Amino acid sequence: DQQVKQNSPSLSVQEGRISILNCDYTNSMFDYFLWYKKYPAEGPTFLISISSIKDKNEDGRFTVFLNKSAKHLSLHIVPSQPGDSAVYFCAASAYSGGSNYKLTFGKGTLLTVNP
Amino acid sequence: DGGITQSPKYLFRKEGQNVTLSCEQNLNHDAMYWYRQDPGQGLRLIYYSQIVNDFQKGDIAEGYSVSREKKESFPLTVTSAQKNPTAFYLCASSEGPFYGYTFGSGTRLTVV
Repeated sequence: DQQVKQNSPSLSVQEGRISILNCDYTNSMFDYFLWYKKYPAEGPTFLISISSIKDKNEDGRFTVFLNKSAKHLSLHIVPSQPGDSAVYFCAASAYSGGSNYKLTFGKGTLLTVNP
Repeated sequence: DGGITQSPKYLFRKEGQNVTLSCEQNLNHDAMYWYRQDPGQGLRLIYYSQIVNDFQKGDIAEGYSVSREKKESFPLTVTSAQKNPTAFYLCASSEGPFYGYTFGSGTRLTVV
């Protein structure tokens, strides 16, 4: 049962345009969402996060939008650059207190930004 | 510099052999995790540990074992019982809820 879904395995955009990566989730207990970027043969690096009490978080060229009623979040990259070409993972957590904390990841979306 | 070190980067194992992947962190994080990445499968949780001498199974723990004797170290053993061990293994650590993870650079394990 996949709780975090990234339905687009790949996305191709032109340099300078907007990239929009989508993520859907099924667990209504998720209260914290993150995006990670990963290059081949490397570990993922943290990009941006959002708490469930917000609907938008912005950091430079990256903005994450959260629609809790639709259980949907999206990552916008504006403007897209060739160096943004990587796999992007959406992740979510449902913290219930105590010491039990873990992230559930989607399958990732390969973004290719063409010069 | 603080971070997570995974070693080796590439590892080859013969079928039927156990192999241990190393993960060390100097971030003073309590929680540590092991994930596996396969093409088209994303990151799947193998084991995690929130505190020394304690760990829990993740979604795909069969054929793996871990230990957490020190806060800094969380080695993963891939046993001969793991049917498809060839994969990219990622170790991560976290300060706790709402802090996300810091990942190591990964170990590529190939069974030959």
